[in-house]
Amino acid sequence: DIQMTQSPSSLSASVGDRVTITCRASQDISNSLAWFQQKPGKAPKSLIYAASSFQSGVPSKFSGSGSGTDFTLTISSLQPEDFATYYCQQYNSYPYTFGQGTKLEIK
Amino acid sequence: QVQLVESGGGVVQPGRSLRLSCAASGISLSDYGMHWVRQAPGKGLEWVAVIWYDGSKKFYADSVKGRFTISRDNSKNTLYLQMNSLRAEDTAVYYCARGEYYETRQDLDYWGQGTLVTVSS
Repeated sequence: DIQMTQSPSSLSASVGDRVTITCRASQDISNSLAWFQQKPGKAPKSLIYAASSFQSGVPSKFSGSGSGTDFTLTISSLQPEDFATYYCQQYNSYPYTFGQGTKLEIK
Repeated sequence: QVQLVESGGGVVQPGRSLRLSCAASGISLSDYGMHWVRQAPGKGLEWVAVIWYDGSKKFYADSVKGRFTISRDNSKNTLYLQMNSLRAEDTAVYYCARGEYYETRQDLDYWGQGTLVTVSS
């Protein structure tokens, strides 16, 4: 199975800040990586697919990059609604696997 | 508007069975692979199973293999998860999600709102 390791597991930031979350795969997954945002009590929301492509309706403040084993999600100009938990997920091979999540909190 | 609606969750005793359903509207599930993903209380996301668009292939997480069965009825635009021999560690919110377009791998772009399964005596 492919292991996905996210860092950091938690992050404190202020409104207006820019933050970066990293995700590392235990083997090459090409660009078969997605990023999700999840708020308490809600289903995950797809933000980015194919490592760097936006889902429809996702603002350009979210950007993804990387290929192979190392990936990043960057969120610029943080707003109150951006504070949530973020997950990466590989869909290169079964079983699909998720990172452990990064909880983004307001400082 | 695309909607996936899960149902069938509830409280069940260890060792018993439960069947979850995921009904789709606004999309035809018959073109897509469909997944179940779960989330234990306070924990992260865990992929559970996938079934290809035509039901020809199914894959499971090791944690549920041999106990859970994923199936679909494309005529009803509905996905199912039959869960047998339930354990306390199966307690989670279960989400269905849309995946592969025919045999082309893609991300899980649409998710249902989830249904809670609690395994407890």
